[in-house]
Amino acid sequence: GQQLNQSPQSMFIQEGEDVSMNCTSSSIFNTWLWYKQDPGEGPVLLIALYKAGELTSNGRLTAQFGITRKDSFLNISASIPSDVGIYFCAGQRSGGGADGLTFGKGTHLIIQP
Amino acid sequence: DTGVSQNPRHKITKRGQNVTFRCDPISEHNRLYWYRQTLGQGPEFLTYFQNEAQLEKSRLLSDRFSAERPKGSFSTLEIQRTEQGDSAMYLCASSFNRAPEQYFGPGTRLTVT
Repeated sequence: GQQLNQSPQSMFIQEGEDVSMNCTSSSIFNTWLWYKQDPGEGPVLLIALYKAGELTSNGRLTAQFGITRKDSFLNISASIPSDVGIYFCAGQRSGGGADGLTFGKGTHLIIQP
Repeated sequence: DTGVSQNPRHKITKRGQNVTFRCDPISEHNRLYWYRQTLGQGPEFLTYFQNEAQLEKSRLLSDRFSAERPKGSFSTLEIQRTEQGDSAMYLCASSFNRAPEQYFGPGTRLTVT
């Protein structure tokens, strides 16, 4: 099935560094969401974005809904060890029988102490 | 705990056997979704229910797969005549009405030997 393009695939960073990752699509989405998944667990919702250009923060996390509605960005400031995991972007078109989320392949964040 | 729950967490079965998974959504959520996630990939949408009505099915949902939500509360996903390619994490999510935020359960890890 279709998946969004997420980059980078993996990141090796030092504790305390800022992190940036992005997600692009050839299609327009009405909503963008960012999830974090730990091994053996389900994805946990971090941030939801509802309109083009929107910038939303949740603690050290900041996400943006791209103006073209075809991309989104997630930033994590001052990373800590518990930020380790896989971050997924997901888009939803909504309506017309298109309510399932389309996910990227994930960005694997690894933090070196 | 009032989150989404899934049972069993792990299932090992032999090829050709039938398996059934259960999902209990967040109590006030009337939408329930099923996704499949294979190693190194993001979740892929399979199907979703609004109350007891199954409203959308992905082409990933082959004839061997069937999902039900008979009373609009919990849902079951059955796979008949399992194949090795069915090995994956099966995730359930729920949402309130048409809200885009979907909350995931911990998943059921299926291994077909």
